[in-house]
Amino acid sequence: DVQMTQSPSSLSASVGDRVTISCRASQNIANYLNWYLQKPGKVPKLLVYASSILQSGVPLRFSGSASGTNFTLTITSLQPEDIGTFYCHQTFDYPQTFGPGTRVDL
Amino acid sequence: DVQLLQSGTELKKPGESLRISCQTSGYSFTTYWINWVRQMPGKGLEWVGRIYPDDSGTDYNPAFQGQASMSTDNSINTAFLQWNSLKASDTGIYYCARNGNLGLDSWGQGTLVAVSS
Repeated sequence: DVQMTQSPSSLSASVGDRVTISCRASQNIANYLNWYLQKPGKVPKLLVYASSILQSGVPLRFSGSASGTNFTLTITSLQPEDIGTFYCHQTFDYPQTFGPGTRVDL
Repeated sequence: DVQLLQSGTELKKPGESLRISCQTSGYSFTTYWINWVRQMPGKGLEWVGRIYPDDSGTDYNPAFQGQASMSTDNSINTAFLQWNSLKASDTGIYYCARNGNLGLDSWGQGTLVAVSS
């Protein structure tokens, strides 16, 4: 299985901060990497697919990038509604796998 | 508007059988993969598998194969996840989710399955 790791596991930030979350795959997954945000008690929501394509309706403060097996989700200006756990998810190989999550709070 | 509506909370005993459902609307059901994702209490997301309603093709996570099985009823645009003999370790929230472009773009609200003697 492709192992996905995320760093940090958690972080605290202030409104307006630039936040960067990293995800690393244990092997090549091309750009088959998605990012989700699960707010507390809610359903996961797709933010970015194919490593850098913003899902329709997602604010432009979110962006994704890739370099080899390293992927990054950036929030340029953290907002209160961005609090929750961010997950990366690879769909290149089966079984599909998720990262362990990065919890972001204020 | 794409919607996935899942069946309600299930409280079961070990060894019992169960089928949970995911009723969809707002799109062509047979032409999108439906995935199932588990979230154990306080834990992260685990991919269970996916099914393509048009031909019932499936991909399972080996960790779940033989434990749970997926099916669809295309006449009512509904996907199912079924167990023949539940274990306590099957406890969790199960989400159905539609495969969009490359990501899971629409999710059901989740079904809590609690298995305890």
